[in-house]
Amino acid sequence: DTAVSQTPKYLVTQMGNDKSIKCEQNLGHDTMYWYKQDSKKFLKIMFSYNNKELIINETVPNRFSPKSPDKAHLNLHINSLELGDSAVYFCASTPPGQYNSPLHFGNGTRLTVT
Amino acid sequence: DQQVKQNSPSLSVQEGRISILNCDYTNSMFDYFLWYKKYPAEGPTFLISISSIKDKNEDGRFTVFLNKSAKHLSLHIVPSQPGDSAVYFCAASGASNYQLIWGAGTKLIIKP
Repeated sequence: DTAVSQTPKYLVTQMGNDKSIKCEQNLGHDTMYWYKQDSKKFLKIMFSYNNKELIINETVPNRFSPKSPDKAHLNLHINSLELGDSAVYFCASTPPGQYNSPLHFGNGTRLTVT
Repeated sequence: DQQVKQNSPSLSVQEGRISILNCDYTNSMFDYFLWYKKYPAEGPTFLISISSIKDKNEDGRFTVFLNKSAKHLSLHIVPSQPGDSAVYFCAASGASNYQLIWGAGTKLIIKP
């Protein structure tokens, strides 16, 4: 009965490859997010998405793109992976219509680019 | 430019005593503050929050205090239990979850 699930949990790949991380939530939430936790442990938002609006953090390289087939899924595609992309990526979601409602996070995907 | 700062990377507290985790912010436009708890290999989980119109919010063993003039908030855990050992993140929001700014976290270790 996992609420927000991400796959894979670990991803090791070489520079230049293209990879995807999948995220699914069964909470009935309508807004989903991708966060990156860098080496200094800061959590930084990459994208916020609901069926009406995609908000992109302008500091995120356009090699990163979110893809949402439906309200329950928000996948993260990364093209031409670079060493600096190594980090832990967290998916999260929030319910509809609630201002500043707490985020529900997945358990993260540790991406290592070699 | 860190708008939310948790200056203590780690904190060690004896079981049964009070744990106090601190967080400072610089942006006076922040109006909502949250604490999240994170265990290794898991995502952060929401713990407690406070709106800027309040100066205290309590939930069981957890109390958050907000001092707007000092731009400071703190999380008190009393009594501390072994299961409280985790990393605690402070986060501050202006207008929406998209604008949530996070601190770097404080690792709390509860000693038996």
